Amino acid sequence: SQTIHQWPATLVQPVGSPLSLECTVEGTSNPNLYWYRQAAGRGLQLLFYSVGIGQISSEVPQNLSASRPQDRQFILSSKKLLLSDSGFYLCAWSFASDTQYFGPGTRLTVL
Amino acid sequence: DQQVKQNSPSLSVQEGRISILNCDYTNSMFDYFLWYKKYPAEGPTFLISISSIKDKNEDGRFTVFLNKSAKHLSLHIVPSQPGDSAVYFCAARNEKLTFGTGTRLTIIP
Repeated sequence: SQTIHQWPATLVQPVGSPLSLECTVEGTSNPNLYWYRQAAGRGLQLLFYSVGIGQISSEVPQNLSASRPQDRQFILSSKKLLLSDSGFYLCAWSFASDTQYFGPGTRLTVL
Repeated sequence: DQQVKQNSPSLSVQEGRISILNCDYTNSMFDYFLWYKKYPAEGPTFLISISSIKDKNEDGRFTVFLNKSAKHLSLHIVPSQPGDSAVYFCAARNEKLTFGTGTRLTIIP
């Protein structure tokens, strides 16, 4: 069966510091991978998605970037965090555009 | 432009009664609809889905109804249980998923 991991679970970072969140999927090959953010009291906003290694599509222009260095690894990064980057970050995977399955999420607080 | 809307941010239902969660969409190109359930500080979990060629899909206590002419989707939970208390997101697919803003369901014992 497939499993999706995210770490860290929680993170508190100062404004202006860098960010690296990692997501890995087990038990499948060549999945579609996604990064979402849920801001307080809001829905799920798609940030990036990837259909293969090195292939990244950005949905919303922002202070963040994503990379997919390996088939089952998806990384969300920032060079300098802003207060507005605080939120709950979720990684998800799917077979093609089929049902998406989410990881446990990372709670990011930027102070 | 919010293509998928959940107009009720919250809903309270007595245990044992039926919970009905609603979702409206605007894009007629959506071909697949899903419901997710989310507990605090956890990732959403997939609950049930329906293809645009169907009008009903049932899985245990959960039934999803699709009214394409009205561009309306609903999730029925019956009987409602305390463990159903969570935030429910509807999502619609047109290559990618577009999520609604969620409805917080509280089941009152």
